[in-house]
Amino acid sequence: GAVVSQHPSRVICKSGTSVKIECRSLDFQATTMFWYRQFPKKSLMLMATSNEGSKATYEQGVEKDKFLINHASLTLSTLTVTSAHPEDSSFYICSARQPRRRGRDKNIQYFGAGTRLSVL
Amino acid sequence: AQTVTQSQPEMSVQEAETVTLSCTYDTSENNYYLFWYKQPPSRQMILVIRQEAYKQQNATENRFSVNFQKAAKSFSLKISDSQLGDTAMYFCAFMKGNSNFGNEKLTFGTGTRLTIIP
Repeated sequence: GAVVSQHPSRVICKSGTSVKIECRSLDFQATTMFWYRQFPKKSLMLMATSNEGSKATYEQGVEKDKFLINHASLTLSTLTVTSAHPEDSSFYICSARQPRRRGRDKNIQYFGAGTRLSVL
Repeated sequence: AQTVTQSQPEMSVQEAETVTLSCTYDTSENNYYLFWYKQPPSRQMILVIRQEAYKQQNATENRFSVNFQKAAKSFSLKISDSQLGDTAMYFCAFMKGNSNFGNEKLTFGTGTRLTIIP
């Protein structure tokens, strides 16, 4: 299957600083990427849908100014947690969808390995 | 809005046995996709199997198969000859079908933690 790389895998930062997480599709072009947040022992909560060359679509309750998403190319989307606070500590996961219309990969989302953010 | 329900928070089974994880969903859509994803301790989400709603035949992938009951909105996962490496969190997920290939979102269930006992 397709490979999605997420970096960094773990980050510890001080309260008030900003943190950038990168999500790259390594062997395919992803017009659409998704950002999720996962609390301990919980399911994945979709934060936003990222489209190449346009503004991200945020889910209800997600602060746009807090979680900045940029999808500047067909292989890279970034999530920046601005002015991070301890309550932002979580596991963040990205996924990318291959824009194929037929075959086994149709409508499959491939996931990165996640980023564990700890805000002190 | 779609909802996905996994009623078994935890399950355990002896190695080599068969286990079935349940999933039900609610939707008014007629065209959609269903998925089972596995999240091992590494936290990497891995696609296990996918089912297209318009296909009556149940999907299979080696030791993994589904029992898709569209009328009952049920989508269970059967793991045969379970192995230690199957120990993971399993998430059932729903995606609306869209012929224009828009930004279809995945809606996840709450997950089932499966432990394979040696």
